[in-house]
Amino acid sequence: RKEVEQDPGPFNVPEGATVAFNCTYSNSASQSFFWYRQDCRKEPKLLMSVYSSGNEDGRFTAQLNRASQYISLLIRDSKLSDSATYLCVVNPRGGKLIFGQGTELSVKP
Amino acid sequence: SAVISQKPSRDICQRGTSLTIQCQVDSQVTMMFWYRQQPGQSLTLIATANQGSEATYESGFVIDKFPISRPNLTFSTLTVSNMSPEDSSIYLCSVNEPTNYGYTFGSGTRLTVV
Repeated sequence: RKEVEQDPGPFNVPEGATVAFNCTYSNSASQSFFWYRQDCRKEPKLLMSVYSSGNEDGRFTAQLNRASQYISLLIRDSKLSDSATYLCVVNPRGGKLIFGQGTELSVKP
Repeated sequence: SAVISQKPSRDICQRGTSLTIQCQVDSQVTMMFWYRQQPGQSLTLIATANQGSEATYESGFVIDKFPISRPNLTFSTLTVSNMSPEDSSIYLCSVNEPTNYGYTFGSGTRLTVV
């Protein structure tokens, strides 16, 4: 079993749609959690950290369920510019990151 | 957030040769990380570079193949040695920023071995 698993993609959605990505992790002692965005041929960039209480940043909402070892990302009112690969990232122990395989999102006009 | 300058941005190399990738950070950081992203894959950690000590390598990566230097708190290099076409990947450095609890990446080095 992979340490971090994500929904397989690609997700093809129309502009304005709501889309949700799911992610599970295997190490129950994991300390911190992130969603990164990676555009084609670019480096990953932090989208948001994920907290147990859930957090929201504009159209983006992240949730963490430690009991189920599950992380989610919800994107509301999708824009064309949201098209990218979304990486679920877990920090199981200090300093290093474990990346999911990524979920590709394509938002169409 | 920290600004990382990574170079070269891309290179095409002959098999059997070596390439050294550099990362310069605009602030002092304790740990720097080197990742590999193979075509169509996600990122895999190669090693953690600590200033003043040898790098810590992940399973499947060895110092002879990927020697790392960390001469000070703002700079690190990764060398890909005796390259083969299987080494064709994007290589990225990263730092952890305790102030905002995030990790910042360099812009990556796209390596093609022919």
